[in-house]
Order: sequence, then C-alpha cells, then structure tokens
Amino acid sequence: AQTVTQSQPEMSVQEAETVTLSCTYDTSENNYYLFWYKQPPSRQMILVIRQEAYKQQNATENRFSVNFQKAAKSFSLKISDSQLGDTAMYFCAFTYNNNDMRFGAGTRLTVKP
Amino acid sequence: GAVVSQHPSRVICKSGTSVKIECRSLDFQATTMFWYRQFPKKSLMLMATSNEGSKATYEQGVEKDKFLINHASLTLSTLTVTSAHPEDSSFYICSAYRTDNYGYTFGSGTRLTVV
Repeated sequence: AQTVTQSQPEMSVQEAETVTLSCTYDTSENNYYLFWYKQPPSRQMILVIRQEAYKQQNATENRFSVNFQKAAKSFSLKISDSQLGDTAMYFCAFTYNNNDMRFGAGTRLTVKP
Repeated sequence: GAVVSQHPSRVICKSGTSVKIECRSLDFQATTMFWYRQFPKKSLMLMATSNEGSKATYEQGVEKDKFLINHASLTLSTLTVTSAHPEDSSFYICSAYRTDNYGYTFGSGTRLTVV
C-alpha cells in the first residue's frame, strides 16, 4: 500500500522568506507521480507542482521548487519569497498507473507580514 | 485549462432525505473520476473510484448503498448520499483524471450539512 507522510502539521514563515515543507512516501512502484497541492480557505484544490518519478531533474514552478530524492522517498516543497497569498493548507500527494491520488495529512502554512 | 464543475457548492438537507452531488468535466472527457471526503482540518480521504460505464469501486469502510455513485457519461459523475444522517455532514470533493496529460483536476467541493 502507498502511504504519504507529512510530519509538519503547522509551519509559519515571514513574508519574503523561504520555507520548506517536508513529505515522505512509501511505495514499491517504480513509475509514479508526486504532487503538491495548495488548499486555501475556499477549499479549492490548486496544483502547485508535479514531479514524475522517472525524471531526475527537480520540478520548478516560479517560486515553488521541489527536492525529489527517489532513493530516500522524499519529496519536499520549497517556497521562495513567501507571499501572504501562500497562506493555506498544503498537501503532498502520490499516484501511479492513473490510479487514485493518496494524500498526506497536510501542513498548514501561515505567512506572516 | 481543464475545468471540473461541482454542484451544489453548499447544501443543507434534513435527516432521512437524499442529496445528489454532480461533478462535470467541462472541456475534457474523464473516463475516471474520484470522490473524496474531507473532515474539518483533515486530509482528503478517498471514498470511491468511478469509471464511465461500470460500477464504482469503493474503499474499505465506505457504504456503497449509502453513497451511490453513477458515472453514466464521459463528462458526468454523481454522488448520491441516501438517507442522510448528521454524521454524513462533511466536505465532498470530486477529481477527474485526464488521459491526455495524466492530470487530475478537482471540483470546487460541496459542503453538506445534514440537520
């Protein structure tokens, strides 16, 4: 069974600073996808970034980047130049073979002015 | 971009009644849709996977007779909460899988309150 673990229930960061959210996962699959989703108070799930396991290069989307360590089964999200609008719940997620997505417990991030 | 429309966004119903939630992919065909339930300040828990034209696959512990899922077309899946009880009150979210880009698009969710 696939599991996703986020060990940081809450984090905070000062505006314009950098923060890293942690995620580990467990799987016996070799080809899979990892995601970070943002869920603001509206509760709409917003895709932040996506990583294909077969790609060695870490994914980057503007201020968001990941550190994907396949051997260690680690997938952390770095948010640079944090903005007040980044305040939200962040979920790490895993999927393979077009199957359902499994989510971690989430990290509540607060960006302080 | 891909859009999944989920309706209603909020619904209040009386105990014992049934409520239908619709999830519609607007600009792509979704052969597979997923239904999640989210409790306050908690993660998304998969309830079931629905494939167009076939019976849904339910996760362990989810009552298939209470949570009826229908995926009759490539753009529409519905979740019907039958004989609703207050403990069914929750936030329900659908997700549609796109085969053309291996992407998942989420609906905006439905907040169900059973009184």
